[in-house]
Amino acid sequence: DVKVTQSSRYLVKRTGEKVFLECVQDMDHENMFWYRQDPGLGLRLIYFSYDVKMKEKGDIPEGYSVSREKKERFSLILESASTNQTSMYLCASSSSGLAGGVPNNEQFFGPGTRLTVL
Amino acid sequence: GDSVTQMEGPVTLSEEAFLTINCTYTATGYPSLFWYVQYPGEGLQLLLKATKADDKGSNKGFEATYRKETTSFHLEKGSVQVSDSAVYFCALTRNTGGFKTIFGAGTRLFVKA
Repeated sequence: DVKVTQSSRYLVKRTGEKVFLECVQDMDHENMFWYRQDPGLGLRLIYFSYDVKMKEKGDIPEGYSVSREKKERFSLILESASTNQTSMYLCASSSSGLAGGVPNNEQFFGPGTRLTVL
Repeated sequence: GDSVTQMEGPVTLSEEAFLTINCTYTATGYPSLFWYVQYPGEGLQLLLKATKADDKGSNKGFEATYRKETTSFHLEKGSVQVSDSAVYFCALTRNTGGFKTIFGAGTRLFVKA
């Protein structure tokens, strides 16, 4: 069974702390993504990566950084956590391969990490 | 830029009622279209998809047809169950030029017994 796992389901941190969120996938996918999910706003893309050591900014990268040293692992880093970063964080991965002649593009999601910053 | 608009929730239905959740999109070219579902306490999972105009995606009794003329991908189910209570997200991905997926805001569905 394919899987995307995230290091924590729930996390409570204090303002100013450095926070690491880890994501691991076992599907040998090239692409990995970090989203945050907030009520009424859907999913917003923070960063994505299409290869080891490669990263691209998404729609809301401010206050975040990422690291992808190995193909299966994609880390999200909050350099100095703030209360407005309290949210649900979702990691996803996808293949760059084709299905039926078009890019597959299906994303596989982890269970999410609910982060509270006090 | 690309965007997805879906009906606001919550939607509350009785068991065995007919479900429609509207979704329209704006995109250049010919994107692939998706419906994802998020059950309580879980991440999103793919419900169904369609990759070209007039394709119908279906799964677990849910259906959606890719309508290019109306830029729509409405989700339907003939008879909902309590276990269908979840948040449903419409999404699109371009088939050229990248891997980013654009998600709608989500529609929460409550099904009463």
